[in-house]
Amino acid sequence: QVQLIQSGPGLVKPSETLSLTCTVSGGSMTSNNYHWDWIRQSPEKGLEWIGAINFSGTTYYNPSLKSPVTISVDTSKNQFSLHLSSVTATDTAVYYCARRQISVAGNWFDPWGQGTLVTVSS
Amino acid sequence: DIQVTQSPSSLSASVGDRVTITCRASQYINNYINWYQQKPGKAPKVLIYGASNLQNGVPSRFSGSGSGTDFTLTINSLQPEDVATYFCQQSFSTYTFGQGTKLEI
Repeated sequence: QVQLIQSGPGLVKPSETLSLTCTVSGGSMTSNNYHWDWIRQSPEKGLEWIGAINFSGTTYYNPSLKSPVTISVDTSKNQFSLHLSSVTATDTAVYYCARRQISVAGNWFDPWGQGTLVTVSS
Repeated sequence: DIQVTQSPSSLSASVGDRVTITCRASQYINNYINWYQQKPGKAPKVLIYGASNLQNGVPSRFSGSGSGTDFTLTINSLQPEDVATYFCQQSFSTYTFGQGTKLEI
């Protein structure tokens, strides 16, 4: 049973970089059937897709995001990471990592990490 | 971006009731809609993928239907543990979520 375990700080200062890591436990990242995604949730914007990476390092980002985003992968550690730079208070949210299943029936997110509340404040 | 609009935003029902939640996409999305359940303080959990396919381990009282732009999540014989917020999510073009339906008993 694959589990995603998130780590990273819960408080980031404005204009600094938000960095979170997701460790994949109980399975391999090296499959063409999955991408590895970041999603955030706030009362103002609801659930918002941030971006994704596959095991070979190809990235996909939400063009609507205002803060610059970088997602990276380290398959030797079974980890992928999110870096959101120049954050503002509007980036305050619960951040989730998730595995996205790729199928002829569409794409869906399962499982999800436990979530990390990140607050942007000085 | 494709918008997905859920209704209602909240509802109250009784144990044993049949509950229906709808999701409308702003354009054609074939059957690329998924439904999630989120309980307080927890991550969302997928219930239905591809509009009508029940995820492994999800009780059979949950079902999904629809195609094109209009979709429905149905809970037959509502149980106390079904209290949660439900979201739809489209995957026709990138990924967007509905605003959620809060279900109370």
